[in-house]
This record gives sequence, C-alpha cells and structure tokens, in this order.
Amino acid sequence: AQSVTQLDSHVSVSEGTPVLLRCNYSSSYSPSLFWYVQHPNKGLQLLLKYTSAATLVKGINGFEAEFKKSETSFHLTKPSAHMSDAAEYFCGGGGTSYGKLTFGQGTILTVHP
Amino acid sequence: DTAVSQTPKYLVTQMGNDKSIKCEQNLGHDTMYWYKQDSKKFLKIMFSYNNKELIINETVPNRFSPKSPDKAHLNLHINSLELGDSAVYFCASSRQAETQYFGPGTRLLVL
Repeated sequence: AQSVTQLDSHVSVSEGTPVLLRCNYSSSYSPSLFWYVQHPNKGLQLLLKYTSAATLVKGINGFEAEFKKSETSFHLTKPSAHMSDAAEYFCGGGGTSYGKLTFGQGTILTVHP
Repeated sequence: DTAVSQTPKYLVTQMGNDKSIKCEQNLGHDTMYWYKQDSKKFLKIMFSYNNKELIINETVPNRFSPKSPDKAHLNLHINSLELGDSAVYFCASSRQAETQYFGPGTRLLVL
C-alpha cells in the first residue's frame, strides 16, 4: 500500500535562507511522487513530479526535490526563500494505473522578512 | 480559459438539504476526481471517473453521489447534508494516471 508522511507540520524560515520540506513515502513498488502548493483560499498547483526518469527533479519557482530510494524520501528544497513562497505544501504519491493519489498531511511554510 | 473550474466557489446551507457541486475541465483529460479537504487540511480522494466510468470509490457515505454526464464534467451531489460534510471539495482531472490538475475548490459550510 502507498502512504506518504510529511515530517513537519510547520516550517518557518527567513527570506533569503534555504527551504527544506520533508516527505517520506512507503510503497511496495516504484512510486510516482508529487509536490503541490496551496496558497490561502486557492486550489492546488503542481510544483514538480517524479516519475523515475531522474532522481533530481526541478520544478517551478526554483523548487527542486530529490528522490532517494535508500531513504524512501522525496524532500522539497529551495536555495533561497521568497515571501511569496509562504503557503501550504503537500507531498503526494500515486502508484496505481487509476491515478489514485495519497497525500501527506501538509506542511505550512512561513517566510519571515 | 480556466483549465479546471468548479461552481459554486462557496456554498452555505442548512443541515438536511441536498446540494450539488459542478466541475468542468477543458484540458481534454479522460479522468476526473473529487477530493475532500477537511478542517485540518487533510486531503483525501473520494471518487474517480475514467471515460465516464467510476473507477475509484473510497469509503464515502451513500449520500454522496458523483455523476459524469461526459468526459469533461464530473458533478457531486450530496443528499441530507450533515455538519461533518463541511469541508473544501476539490475537483481534479488528468490524462490516464498522469499529473492531476486541480480546480480552485468549493468551500462548503453546513449550518
């Protein structure tokens, strides 16, 4: 069965400092993994997606994530936080042919000036 | 030219009422989904349709009934609304099991 765990419910950083949002997955087979971002009162926007083509995945707005099978992790990073990055981030995984996604609990990112 | 649209955006109603939420996508996708996001922001899939055929039906009360009149539409009808149905409902679409694109959400409040 597929499950996704986001290790931090809340991450707070200063503008210009690195961002690390952690996600672990468990799966009995090779997963497809995603990161979505949700700004207040908005829908989910896809940041990036891993589908086994490359372990380091680059997304929009300077975000990237690295798939590490040995650690069953897919952490999201950004070298330098911007105020506009403040939002909630969801890690998700899918493993069936029907596109069923399982989401983590979400991580709220706060960016201080 | 919104890709996935939902109506209404906000819905406030009384317990016991019946309501519908509509979803339309203009991406040419063949698979559509309904998700529920509860007050703790936990996102859980409810239903999925592929080419108008129900393929995912999670443990959801029978009061919830999805309907897909064509590949571009997936509506959600809820009977006898309860307080616990208050949530944000997201529609999404994809081509087969590829990347899912989400609508803006419908915020349902049951009083």
